[in-house]
Amino acid sequence: GAVVSQHPSRVICKSGTSVKIECRSLDFQATTMFWYRQFPKQSLMLMATSNEGSKATYEQGVEKDKFLINHASLTLSTLTVTSAHPEDSSFYICSASQRETYNEQFFGPGTRLTVL
Amino acid sequence: LAKTTQPISMDSYEGQEVNITCSHNNIATNDYITWYQQFPSQGPRFIIQGYKTKVTNEVASLFIPADRKSSTLSLPRVSLSDTAVYYCLVGLSGGYQKVTFGTGTKLQVIP
Repeated sequence: GAVVSQHPSRVICKSGTSVKIECRSLDFQATTMFWYRQFPKQSLMLMATSNEGSKATYEQGVEKDKFLINHASLTLSTLTVTSAHPEDSSFYICSASQRETYNEQFFGPGTRLTVL
Repeated sequence: LAKTTQPISMDSYEGQEVNITCSHNNIATNDYITWYQQFPSQGPRFIIQGYKTKVTNEVASLFIPADRKSSTLSLPRVSLSDTAVYYCLVGLSGGYQKVTFGTGTKLQVIP
């Protein structure tokens, strides 16, 4: 149980385009979802926290107009990278937690974004 | 958020026991200690979680002293497939509570 999926697993796009990444909790209701970014050989950096039905809370230094997060249902959160540039190329990972086991976060497999 | 400190890297031979220690001096009363494993280009995978004393599951043990200012992940008889980055996280007293990933420990298992 407690499986989180991400789609797509890998995406390549041209500079200036927007890319949407989906994060789904497959067998539980995720009251809170988190989005992380990871550059090569670095640790995970938290970008934002989203609760179902409310606006996301962004970490300092993360542009909310560039990284649009929507958590419209208890099983789906989306991250849209708007007007992507090569410096946005990274590994994006989501995690989710549920009310019943509040002391656990379940991570997705990640999405590799390459902006040309 | 409690900050964690771990060794950047460790090497071990196959079949040996590996102990990775994490320091978290400002851990809060309600904080749990959780360890994750990450392979390249994959999301972190849960290994073990504890609050105090010792916790053991089928893959690892977690030792937490009484003051909870540190913790040690113990991996028995490592194999080449255990080569990965191991992260110690402190927090998660509430699922909506964010956590901060430290540098992690890159474990290299040598044949």
